[in-house]
Amino acid sequence: DAGITQSPRHKVTETGTPVTLRCHQTENHRYMYWYRQDPGHGLRLIHYSYGVKDTDKGEVSDGYSVSRSKTEDFLLTLESATSSQTSVYFCAISRENQPQHFGDGTRLSIL
Amino acid sequence: SQKIEQNSEALNIQEGKTATLTCNYTNYSPAYLQWYRQDPGRGPVFLLLIRENEKEKRKERLKVTFDTTLKQSLFHITASQPADSATYLCALDKRQAGTALIFGKGTTLSVSS
Repeated sequence: DAGITQSPRHKVTETGTPVTLRCHQTENHRYMYWYRQDPGHGLRLIHYSYGVKDTDKGEVSDGYSVSRSKTEDFLLTLESATSSQTSVYFCAISRENQPQHFGDGTRLSIL
Repeated sequence: SQKIEQNSEALNIQEGKTATLTCNYTNYSPAYLQWYRQDPGRGPVFLLLIRENEKEKRKERLKVTFDTTLKQSLFHITASQPADSATYLCALDKRQAGTALIFGKGTTLSVSS
């Protein structure tokens, strides 16, 4: 398996609190992605990064921010969590025009 | 806007038969299309990639076709086994830096013995 670690794997928090999810890779891949997966919607791209400090928005970026200060780490932050952000979050990595490799997800519940 | 449809949410077949999953897309011309497998509680795992200039790709019991005129890909699993039971996702590239993908909602395949 590609070396991708997501942390935490599970988190329960309250509405209005900030939440940060971490994705760590040991593959030195240039591209990193954050997706959310919800029943009836499939995987939807939140943000992605094409290099250190280079990020761009995906289709469901509202309410989320990201940072990538070094190649191996890509952080996803919910500044003020809402119940609609309850979901399973997946990180993925890839080389350019190559398949993506996914982590095993973070299950986030916002009460 | 770009749209991908996997036209079956669920597919049930008997062991040994060929499973055929369909992926249709509109308003787009992808450079390539990918298929992934996802097991419950796990992240998707890459299976096959087929490029716009390729008609067919094979890997062991898996076969993918890509018809850019019909805007359709078919994913076949021959001699299916209960271990093939999973959700299968198709994904298209967005022809931009970052190789961000658009995913279909997936088809859940159940193979009974």
